[in-house]
Amino acid sequence: KNEVEQSPQNLTAQEGEFITINCSYSVGISALHWLQQHPGGGIVSLFMLSSGKKKHGRLIATINIQEKHSSLHITASHPRDSAVYICAVVEGGNEKLTFGTGTRLTIIP
Amino acid sequence: DTAVSQTPKYLVTQMGNDKSIKCEQNLGHDTMYWYKQDSKKFLKIMFSYNNKELIINETVPNRFSPKSPDKAHLNLHINSLELGDSAVYFCASSQDELRPVITQYFGPGTRLTVL
Repeated sequence: KNEVEQSPQNLTAQEGEFITINCSYSVGISALHWLQQHPGGGIVSLFMLSSGKKKHGRLIATINIQEKHSSLHITASHPRDSAVYICAVVEGGNEKLTFGTGTRLTIIP
Repeated sequence: DTAVSQTPKYLVTQMGNDKSIKCEQNLGHDTMYWYKQDSKKFLKIMFSYNNKELIINETVPNRFSPKSPDKAHLNLHINSLELGDSAVYFCASSQDELRPVITQYFGPGTRLTVL
C-alpha cells in the first residue's frame, strides 16, 4: 500500500463541471504539494499546504491534518485543465518527498 | 530565465550504453533531486543531494549515480543501460533554509528511451 493514495485514478468530466481530486496519506507530514503535469511532461507546483485552505484562480486546495486528507477542487473546469494531478507529501522532520499515484483528468468540451 | 533546466530533453540509446543527463538550477538552492517517472506516471525519488549529504533511495540500482560538480549542478550518470530504464527523469531543487516547509522546483524532464 502506498503511503500516499489518490482518488480517483482517472476522471473524465464535461467542461464547466466542478472537479474534486482526493489525497490521503498515512505518515506525519510537514507540508503537502499539489502538482500538475501536462502531456509534455513538465511539472508545475500548484499549491503547497501545511494547514487550512488555499485558493488560486479556479483552483482550491484544502487539507485536514487530523484526518490526513487533502482535496484539490477545480471550479468551472476547462479543457486546458486536462492533465495529471499529483499529490506529494513532505514527511515531518526530513526532506523525504513521497508522491501519490496521480489522477488523470480529462475535460471534454 | 529557466529556474531548473535539464539536457537533453530526449535521449534514445542502445541497451548496454552509458549515458548522462545534466541538470542545472539558477535559484541558488542547496538541495537537488532526481526522480524517475514510470509508465504509470508515478514519480519515485532516486536521490537527494546537498553539499553535506547524499541520500539514496535504496531501491535504485547502483548503475545510477549522481555527480555534482558544484552546487548548481547535479548530473545523473547511468551505466549499462537496460530496457527497464526507459522513463522520464525529472530533476528538482529546493532551498533547505525554508524547512520544514519545502517547495521543490522541477525541471522539464528528460525522456529516456532504451532500445
